[in-house]
Parts: sequence; C-alpha cells; structure tokens
Amino acid sequence: ETGVTQSPTHLIKTRGQQVTLRCSSQSGHNTVSWYQQALGQGPQFIFQYYREEENGRGNFPPRFSGLQFPNYSSELNVNALELDDSALYLCASSLPANSGANVLTFGAGSRLTVL
Amino acid sequence: QQQVKQSPQSLIVQKGGISIINCAYENTAFDYFPWYQQFPGKGPALLIAIRPDVSEKKEGRFTISFNKSAKQFSLHIMDSQPGDSATYFCAAPFSGGYNKLIFGAGTRLAVHP
Repeated sequence: ETGVTQSPTHLIKTRGQQVTLRCSSQSGHNTVSWYQQALGQGPQFIFQYYREEENGRGNFPPRFSGLQFPNYSSELNVNALELDDSALYLCASSLPANSGANVLTFGAGSRLTVL
Repeated sequence: QQQVKQSPQSLIVQKGGISIINCAYENTAFDYFPWYQQFPGKGPALLIAIRPDVSEKKEGRFTISFNKSAKQFSLHIMDSQPGDSATYFCAAPFSGGYNKLIFGAGTRLAVHP
C-alpha cells in the first residue's frame, strides 16, 4: 500500500510568480485535502477535492486553486505569489466524509519559499 | 470562526515522565477529536482519536481525556521516551465532515534521556 506522495519537495519562487504542487493520494482514497503549514504553526485547511470537484474551502483567496484528476491525484496552484505564501504545503488523502473512516493520511509536504 | 487553542507551545520532559498537552475548542460540527504527531521533515500522522461517547481513550502509553462540558480535551503520554520527541497537534472537524479538520498551533515536545 503506497502512501501519499508530493512533488516537488522543495522549491523557490519569486514574488508574483505562479506555482503548481502535485499530490498522489494513498491507494483506495478518493478525497484529497490541501493544507498550508507556516513555520511553527498548525496546518490550515485550504480546500478539499472529492469526485474531481471542490468540496469545501478554507479562508484562502481565489488565487489558490486546485484540480483533482480521475485517478484521484491532485494539484494545488497558487498565482501571484506573495512573501507570506512561504510555507509547507501538505496534501492529505482520505475516504469520503460519509464513509465513517476519519483518518487523514498526509504526505511529507512541499516546502515553498517565496523571495 | 471556529478555533482550537492548544497549550503549552513547548514542553520538556525527562525520560519516564508524563507529558500533558491540552486543547480547548469553541464549536465543532462533529464529535471527533484526533491528535496528530509530526516529526521533522514528515507530514502529520494520526496518533489517537476519541469520539465523546466516552470520556477517555487509551492506546498503549497514549491517553485522550475529554471534558465535553468544558469543551476541552487533553493528551497524556505516560512513560515518555526520547522517541516521542515531536510536535503534537490537536484537531477538530468543522462543517462538512470528519475529514475537514481545524488544527491547533502545535506543542513541541522534547523528551530528555
């Protein structure tokens, strides 16, 4: 059973650029959530994808967008990068909320630095 | 906006001691309270979780205690080991389902030999 894999592991961008982060969900999981974890803070919910559609969104601006593909993998796109976007971006896969199984399986994250 | 407040921010415990981390929540859409453990360079991993039809859940050296009236829950680590040194996050679900979580700010635990 493979876990959640994320790429790239590290990247550096400059302010105003765009970035795409990728996530492959754990085998059998069809729901993907993205979280932003600033240094020394807890993860903050960005959004969730289920059946290739956004299924809930946290307090993040529209320049944060995502996609989910038929194989349940997902992308997080961030446009017009700002310095405050520097963080660890975590992908978590899970079964649907109505499955009764509540465990989020996290990847190791993509660390984004915006200069 | 729903919040989960976690304390302390950091904790130093001697090997064999008890580590206690506390969490308070304001509102939650669902009764399910997990604790996640995160090692440096890794993503968080579920450690233990409780549904408050019980006031306490124990798994090995790890125990969650829950006080519904006070809206508080805590993690106790008995016989703390250096391998327990990590950051611990409490969490609670917000609207939409058990798999949408709001996390506390984390407690960095260091267990000294």
